[in-house]
Amino acid sequence: QVQLQESGPGLVKPSQTLSLTCTVSGGSISSGGYYWSWIRQHPGKGLEWIGYIYYSGSTHYNPSLKSRVTMSVDTSQNQFSLKLRSVTAADTALYHCARVSRYGSGSGFDYWGQGTAVTVSS
Amino acid sequence: SYELTQPPSVSVSPGQTASITCSGDKLGDKYACWYQQKPGQSPVLVIYQDSKRPSGIPERFSGSNSGNTATLTISGTQALDEADFYCQAWDNSTVVFGGGTKLTVL
Repeated sequence: QVQLQESGPGLVKPSQTLSLTCTVSGGSISSGGYYWSWIRQHPGKGLEWIGYIYYSGSTHYNPSLKSRVTMSVDTSQNQFSLKLRSVTAADTALYHCARVSRYGSGSGFDYWGQGTAVTVSS
Repeated sequence: SYELTQPPSVSVSPGQTASITCSGDKLGDKYACWYQQKPGQSPVLVIYQDSKRPSGIPERFSGSNSGNTATLTISGTQALDEADFYCQAWDNSTVVFGGGTKLTVL
C-alpha cells in the first residue's frame, strides 16, 4: 500500500520561501510510471494543482504559479519536494502531495497524503 | 486557460439518485475524473477515465462524459455519501480541477 506523507514548516513569513517534502513509502519513486504532484487547498475552498515531477526530474507546473515554483526529487530518500518563493497570505493553504499515473490522460490521483497546513504570516 | 465549472451545491434525498455536473469546452474530448472529499479528509478518487471505478469504490458511483459536460451519478444515495465532489481533467499536460460541489443528503 503506497503512502505519502508531507512535512515542513507550518508557518512561513511573507516574502520568504515555502519548502515542503513528501516522503513516499510502499513503493519506489524510481520505478517510474507515475507523476508525483503537489496540490493545495485554500481554507474552505477547492483544489488547485501546483505541478508535478517525474523521477527523472522533469517537471510541469501550473502556469499561474510557474514563476515561483520549483520541484525536485530525491530518489535515494524516496522523496520529492516543493519550493514556493515570495509567498504572501494568499499562499496560506493545506498542501497535499499525490500520485498520478503517467500512462493515459484519464488517470486520476489515486494516492494522496493527508496534507500539511501552511500559514503565511509575520 | 482551461476551466471546469461545477454547481456549488446539489441536494438529494436518501435512496434517490444524485447527479453532479462538470462543464468545460469540449470536455467530452478529454477524460474526466471525480474525487470525493469529506470534512477533514484528503480527496478520494471515485471515477477515472470518465466512467471507471477504482477498486473499493461502490457500484452506486458512475460517470459519463459527452459534449461539454461530464456527470457523476450516485444511485441510491446514502447519508455517508455527503461530501464535496471535484471533477478534474487534463488540458495538454496541465491538470485542471473544477470548483467543487457540496452534496447534501437530506
